[in-house]
Parts: sequence; C-alpha cells; structure tokens
Amino acid sequence: SQELEQSPQSLIVQEGKNLTINCTSSKTLYGLYWYKQKYGEGLIFLMMLQKGGEEKSHEKITAKLDEKKQQSSLHITASQPSHAGIYLCGADIEKGGSEKLVFGKGMKLTVNP
Amino acid sequence: DGGITQSPKYLFRKEGQNVTLSCEQNLNHDAMYWYRQDPGQGLRLIYYSQIVNDFQKGDIAEGYSVSREKKESFPLTVTSAQKNPTAFYLCATKNRGTDTQYFGPGTRLTVL
Repeated sequence: SQELEQSPQSLIVQEGKNLTINCTSSKTLYGLYWYKQKYGEGLIFLMMLQKGGEEKSHEKITAKLDEKKQQSSLHITASQPSHAGIYLCGADIEKGGSEKLVFGKGMKLTVNP
Repeated sequence: DGGITQSPKYLFRKEGQNVTLSCEQNLNHDAMYWYRQDPGQGLRLIYYSQIVNDFQKGDIAEGYSVSREKKESFPLTVTSAQKNPTAFYLCATKNRGTDTQYFGPGTRLTVL
C-alpha cells in the first residue's frame, strides 16, 4: 500500500487560475517535503514543513501542514506556464527522525497559456 | 560550480550486461542516496550511505550494488540480476544535521 497519497494525480489549468494539490500520509508525519520535477530532470526542492499548522511560501507557492489530518497542501496562486511539471511530496514517517524519506507518486500539472 | 552530477544523462545497454551509474557531489554532504523512478510509481529507494565505507539497502536493493570509497562519490551498479533495469535513476545527497535531500539531474537507463 502507498504510504503517501497525492491528489489529484494530474491537473490541467488555464494560466492565471489558482490550484491546490494534496499529500496525505497513512502514518504520522515528522517532516514533509515538496519537490518539483520537469520531465526527464532531477527534483528541485521547494520547501519543508515540520510542525503542525506550519505554513511556508515561496513566490506564488504556499504549502501548509495539517498535523491532525496528516496532510499537506500545496497552493499555487495565479498559475503560470512555468509552474508546469510534476510535484512530488516526500515524508519522514519515523519517530525520532530517519535518514530515509518515502515519496508519493507525484502530481502532473499542465498550465495552458 | 557546486552541486550533484550524474553521468551519463542517457545510457543504453544490452540485456545481461552490468552497468555503472556515476554520482558525484562537491557539497561536502555526508549522506548519499540512489532512487529509481518509474512512470506512475514515484521514487523508490535502492541504497543509501550515511558515511564513507558504509551503506544500507533500501526497499528495492535486489539486482543492484553500490560502493562508498570516497565522500564525494556513490556509484551504482545495475547487475544482470536486476529483472527490469530500464528506468530513470536519481542520486540525492543530504548534509548531517539537516533533513532535506537534494537531487542530481538523473540518468535514464535503457536496456535493450
């Protein structure tokens, strides 16, 4: 079974629209990481969340961590074609910290001009 | 120029041949990781190393081998025992005391 579920699996939006994607864990989250990937390239680190209720922003991307729901959301405001790509969440699900992360399957975002 | 390099970007091999993928970093990070990415499957951990001359199996280590003789280098060998080696392989590094992993550009391996 998948420990991290991302939803939706894919999304097509018109440029300028807002969107939210989710990452839900079946286990307690001790750290949540968001990455972006262009097809055929490596992962680019976006942001990390560790505390329940924590919220971080970078340019037009905001990520939040809901500890109770064991879920993180990534919100993009006024999407642009440059936001297109695959968004992956990774998580530390071991108490006391772990050297390993588990990853979701990714969410493919297409932004039409 | 700092960072993580993986070479080559594309690699083609015949079935039954071993192949070694390179991962080099000049970030002075202690930990290094190898992941495999398949369409629709996300990232799966193959091997990781927290320190020179030590490494641990990940979730899908069968058919793979690694070495960590230098802090900067963590090569991955895909052996003929790996049944489905065609995939995109990603190397990552992490500094001690921090939790964030940083990724290289990846190597796409195709076995013909």
